[in-house]
Amino acid sequence: DIQMTQSPSSLSASVGDRVTITCQASQDISNYLNWYQQKPGKAPKLLIYDASNLETGVPSRFSGSGSGTDFTFTISSLQPEDIATYYCQQYDNLLITFGQGTRLEIK
Amino acid sequence: EVQLVESGGGLVKPGGSLRLSCAASGFTFSSYSMNWVRQAPGKGLEWVSSISSSSSYIYYADSVKGRFTISRDNAKNSLYLQMNSLRAEDTAVYYCARQRGRFDYWGQGTLVTVSS
Repeated sequence: DIQMTQSPSSLSASVGDRVTITCQASQDISNYLNWYQQKPGKAPKLLIYDASNLETGVPSRFSGSGSGTDFTFTISSLQPEDIATYYCQQYDNLLITFGQGTRLEIK
Repeated sequence: EVQLVESGGGLVKPGGSLRLSCAASGFTFSSYSMNWVRQAPGKGLEWVSSISSSSSYIYYADSVKGRFTISRDNAKNSLYLQMNSLRAEDTAVYYCARQRGRFDYWGQGTLVTVSS
């Protein structure tokens, strides 16, 4: 199975800050990497697909980059409504795996 | 509007069985692969199983292989997860999700609690 190592596991930032989360795959997954946002008690929501593509309707402050084994998710200017847990997910392998999640809090 | 609605969750004893359903609407169900993803209380997301549009390809996480069976009925626009030999560690919210590479639509989830 492909392991996804996401960091940090938690993050505290101020409104307006630039926030970066990384995800490392245990082997080359090309660009088969998605990012999701999950708020408490809610289903996950797709934000970024295929490493760098913004899902329709998602604010442009969210972005993603990377390929191969190293990926980055960025919020350019943190907003209060961005408080959530973020997950990366690979689908290069037929056995899909998620990162451990990054819990984002407001400082 | 795409909708996925899970049902069938509940309290079951260890070793018991449960069948989850996911009713799909608002899209051509038979054209998409579908998945089950679960989330134990306070934990992260864990992919459980996937099934291709025509049921030709089915995959399971090692943690459920041999105990869970995914299936679908394209005529009824429904996805299923038969869960047997349930363990305490299977306690989680179970989500169904539509897949086209990414999981672009998710249901609201159904809670399965395995406890004596």
